[in-house]
Amino acid sequence: DAGITQSPRHKVTETGTPVTLRCHQTENHRYMYWYRQDPGHGLRLIHYSYGVKDTDKGEVSDGYSVSRSKTEDFLLTLESATSSQTSVYFCAIHSPGTGDGNTIYFGEGSWLTVV
Amino acid sequence: RKEVEQDPGPFNVPEGATVAFNCTYSNSASQSFFWYRQDCRKEPKLLMSVYSSGNEDGRFTAQLNRASQYISLLIRDSKLSDSATYLCVVNSFNKFYFGSGTKLNVKP
Repeated sequence: DAGITQSPRHKVTETGTPVTLRCHQTENHRYMYWYRQDPGHGLRLIHYSYGVKDTDKGEVSDGYSVSRSKTEDFLLTLESATSSQTSVYFCAIHSPGTGDGNTIYFGEGSWLTVV
Repeated sequence: RKEVEQDPGPFNVPEGATVAFNCTYSNSASQSFFWYRQDCRKEPKLLMSVYSSGNEDGRFTAQLNRASQYISLLIRDSKLSDSATYLCVVNSFNKFYFGSGTKLNVKP
C-alpha cells in the first residue's frame, strides 16, 4: 500500500463545468504527478509537482491546472471540462532513491466522464 | 517521436509458453527503467526494475541495453494469472515516461 488516495473515484460532469480531482498521500513523498490514460495513448503526464507550491507542466497540460499547498495534497482542476477530457486520471508519487525505491506508485484512479 | 515505444500486441500464448516483450526509449540520458503490470481497470503496479547487468525475479527476466536504448522482459512458463498489460517505464530526471503497453493473453 503506497498510501495514496484519490477522490472522487468516479464522476460524471457536464461540458463547461469546473472539476477538481484530489490526490492525498500519507508518506511525505516529494514528487507527485497527475497522468491521464486513454486507449491508444497509454499514460500521459499532465502536470507534476516537486515540492509545495512547485509545479511544472507535462506533455498534455492544456486545459488543466494544479495546486500543491501542502506536501500531502495535489489537486488537479479542469477549468471548463470538455468531452476530450473524459479519461481515467491517475495520481502518482515518487521519492528519489535507489533500486525499486526509485520508482513511481499510483493511486487507484479517478474515472471522469464529461457529457 | 514518443519517448517510449512498445509493441501493443496482443500476444496470445498458451500456458507454459515463454514470451518476450521489447521496448525502446529515445532519451539517452534516462536514468532508470522499470516494467509495470496493469490489470483491466486497475492502476499500474511495479513488476520489476531493470538493470544494465540484467536481473531476474522468479519467472521474469529483464534486460537493459543502454547502447541500443532497448529494454526487454522475458516471462517463462506463462500462467493464466500473467494475463495483463505490461508497461515499459523510463525515468528521466524524475519524470516518468510510459510506453502504451503490451497486452498479454495466456490461454489454457
